[in-house]
Amino acid sequence: IAGITQAPTSQILAAGRRMTLRCTQDMRHNAMYWYRQDLGLGLRLIHYSNTAGTTGKGEVPDGYSVSRANTDDFPLTLASAVPSQTSVYFCASSDSALAGGNEQFFGPGTRLTVL
Amino acid sequence: GQNIDQPTEMTATEGAIVQINCTYQTSGFNGLFWYQQHAGEAPTFLSYNVLDGLEEKGRFSSFLSRSKGYSYLLLKELQMKDSASYLCAVMDSNYQLIWGAGTKLIIKP
Repeated sequence: IAGITQAPTSQILAAGRRMTLRCTQDMRHNAMYWYRQDLGLGLRLIHYSNTAGTTGKGEVPDGYSVSRANTDDFPLTLASAVPSQTSVYFCASSDSALAGGNEQFFGPGTRLTVL
Repeated sequence: GQNIDQPTEMTATEGAIVQINCTYQTSGFNGLFWYQQHAGEAPTFLSYNVLDGLEEKGRFSSFLSRSKGYSYLLLKELQMKDSASYLCAVMDSNYQLIWGAGTKLIIKP
């Protein structure tokens, strides 16, 4: 593994189903993030984790949950998917959350379609 | 509220120079980032400015004026591979990134 990996690459999901998007990084970064990217809108933060064992809500957290049991993994769960959650989801990480200048490194993204 | 504005789309010619502007209003300021995103790919880091002035990195330069809430990304000697979206993002007082919608840059031969 080099950098950040996400799985699956893409997924078509029926509304009401539960889905977990996986994210793993091997850079030993403390902070991790989940964004969604929709056409015409900037990246929007869903949830974040400043360090293993802690999580926080971003701009658009409703309908999503996360956990950070260890440094490397940061899964995002949709408890009951709705069509408005159709989007491209990016996981990112940075060395430190609470310092300026720390660039975020992005995974390749998961394209999710909810029908 | 917090707001990042940048043009939706720009067109430029191969070999030319293009300037992509970004204006922002945010709760606090801990620096401004520029990212490049090719279609269907993840964003990748280009530059970071926290002090006023120009930062040069090869063909790319980024400028910041904190008093004006303004930044630009300057791309010189444009190449076809520079066709991409360019994302402006400001780190706010909570050290979270607020993102603009991105500027799609089209390079013509």
